[in-house]
Amino acid sequence: QQQVKQSPQSLIVQKGGISIINCAYENTAFDYFPWYQQFPGKGPALLIAIRPDVSEKKEGRFTISFNKSAKQFSLHIMDSQPGDSATYFCAAVPSGGGADGLTFGKGTHLIIQP
Amino acid sequence: DAGVIQSPRHEVTEMGQEVTLRCKPISGHNSLFWYRQTMMRGLELLIYFNNNVPIDDSGMPEDRFSAKMPNASFSTLKIQPSEPRDSAVYFCASSRGLAVGLRDNEQFFGPGTRLTVL
Repeated sequence: QQQVKQSPQSLIVQKGGISIINCAYENTAFDYFPWYQQFPGKGPALLIAIRPDVSEKKEGRFTISFNKSAKQFSLHIMDSQPGDSATYFCAAVPSGGGADGLTFGKGTHLIIQP
Repeated sequence: DAGVIQSPRHEVTEMGQEVTLRCKPISGHNSLFWYRQTMMRGLELLIYFNNNVPIDDSGMPEDRFSAKMPNASFSTLKIQPSEPRDSAVYFCASSRGLAVGLRDNEQFFGPGTRLTVL
């Protein structure tokens, strides 16, 4: 059972464009939603995270938009750069969740074309 | 800090052989996690430790898999006997504590071990 559904599987964006990756969840107990960035040959690294008490969180060119009623959240990368080319994973954790509660999406392979 | 260290980075073995993957967590981190990544199943948590004690191994796929953490600076994941379907990238991660989402409990991942079982 896939608790966090991520789309698209792959995405190609021109340099300077906006990259958008979407995730949806079913478990209403989730209350922490991190995004991870993974470069080839490296492990995932925490990029940005949000809690459902806010609808948006921005850090530099990266923004998470959160829609609690729709149970959806998305990552927006503004002014996308070739260095942003990586695999991005959304994840979700239930309230009071321990380490076993970190549920990952399947990942999106993002390519930024120069 | 050198980050989480994993060895070997690549391992190619034949079906039936024993495989041992190694991990050195970040100094001062009390929690250690083993993940497996495949195209089909994505990232899966296999087992995690807190203060060197295994807390939850429900993600370990079969009895062929075992993990140990003899001290705060070293952990192993062993597969015996290995099978082709075990081929994947295995990640080790560490964090200060277990509660994901709390400040300072971010999980830091190692570079992974790419395992190929022929």
